[in-house]
Amino acid sequence: DAGITQSPRHKVTETGTPVTLRCHQTENHRYMYWYRQDPGHGLRLIHYSYGVKDTDKGEVSDGYSVSRSKTEDFLLTLESATSSQTSVYFCAISEQGPQETQYFGPGTRLLVL
Amino acid sequence: AQSVTQLDSQVPVFEEAPVELRCNYSSSVSVYLFWYVQYPNQGLQLLLKYLSGSTLVKGINGFEAEFNKSQTSFHLRKPSVHISDTAEYFCAVSVSGGSNYKLTFGKGTLLTVNP
Repeated sequence: DAGITQSPRHKVTETGTPVTLRCHQTENHRYMYWYRQDPGHGLRLIHYSYGVKDTDKGEVSDGYSVSRSKTEDFLLTLESATSSQTSVYFCAISEQGPQETQYFGPGTRLLVL
Repeated sequence: AQSVTQLDSQVPVFEEAPVELRCNYSSSVSVYLFWYVQYPNQGLQLLLKYLSGSTLVKGINGFEAEFNKSQTSFHLRKPSVHISDTAEYFCAVSVSGGSNYKLTFGKGTLLTVNP
């Protein structure tokens, strides 16, 4: 299995509080991605990174920010959590371009009350 | 922009029966196509992918898929399913070339294999 860990694995928080999710990889892959998974919607891309300090928005980026200061870590921040951000969040990594396989972490289950 | 449609949200089958999970895509340029599987409470893992060449692609666990450019389809098949194949299956597409490294997923098909 690709070396990808996500922390925390489960989190319950209240509306309006900031939340940071961490993705850590040991594969030295260039690309890292954050997705959210919701019933009936499949996986939707939030943000992705194509190198240290290089990030771009996905299709559902509103309310989220990311940072990548090291190759191995990609942080997802919910500045002020809302109930609509209750979801399962997956991190993924890939070596290079669009033909490459993406390897997924185990997911973080977030509940915003 | 590319898009993916998985035509069935749920597919129930009996053990040892054949199964086909349908996927259609939309893109104005050449694409790469993928099928991922998600077992309960786990992340996704790659089943197979089409990049170029032979339109019939074989993957893990006895699955295969056929790329049909004229019908913009990439259907997943298995001739005889097992209980352990119960999972959610996602078709995904990315665009070849350029600087777009995004993978667009379909909404998923839940395959339930009954004894």
